[in-house]
Amino acid sequence: DGGITQSPKYLFRKEGQNVTLSCEQNLNHDAMYWYRQDPGQGLRLIYYSQIVNDFQKGDIAEGYSVSREKKESFPLTVTSAQKNPTAFYLCASGSQNQPQHFGDGTRLSIL
Amino acid sequence: QQQVKQSPQSLIVQKGGISIINCAYENTAFDYFPWYQQFPGKGPALLIAIRPDVSEKKEGRFTISFNKSAKQFSLHIMDSQPGDSATYFCAAGGYQGGKLIFGQGTELSVKP
Repeated sequence: DGGITQSPKYLFRKEGQNVTLSCEQNLNHDAMYWYRQDPGQGLRLIYYSQIVNDFQKGDIAEGYSVSREKKESFPLTVTSAQKNPTAFYLCASGSQNQPQHFGDGTRLSIL
Repeated sequence: QQQVKQSPQSLIVQKGGISIINCAYENTAFDYFPWYQQFPGKGPALLIAIRPDVSEKKEGRFTISFNKSAKQFSLHIMDSQPGDSATYFCAAGGYQGGKLIFGQGTELSVKP
């Protein structure tokens, strides 16, 4: 089945540690997105990429980094510079005239 | 302006009633307005979407009403069921793709 796979489902970060969240899509979508979801704040855009080897900062990019080496993959690294990383992270993909589809998220917590 | 304002933040409706969620946007360049439904622990799923060339779109029990002059759109859920209990997000963006701006979400609870 076509879709978006996020892994792991749960992730724990130690103080000073970088962690990487995986996002893979087999929908052949050109664009991919990372959102952060906190209670009562909706979805906030972290980074997005509309083509391979190119990406742009969203509204809350500080403390995060991404890469887009393949069309299917858009990993997100939460760096130690992100002081409040506890949240539900959602990856999405989309194309021209196609709605954004979401994965089932990764819940990140601090140990 | 890039904000999308959604209300109410939470909503309790009796089974069989009508649930109404409202959104307002500022950027007149937006031409695509989707609604997403999210269950706990899951990613949002597209429910229904509208473009500004129509004032209403209906799919089953779900209807979007769109008022271009007021820059507002709303979701109506007719004959609400307990299985509709979820968080609903409105969004706005460009139909040709690109970023979506999301509202803050509405937590709907349908009581049996």
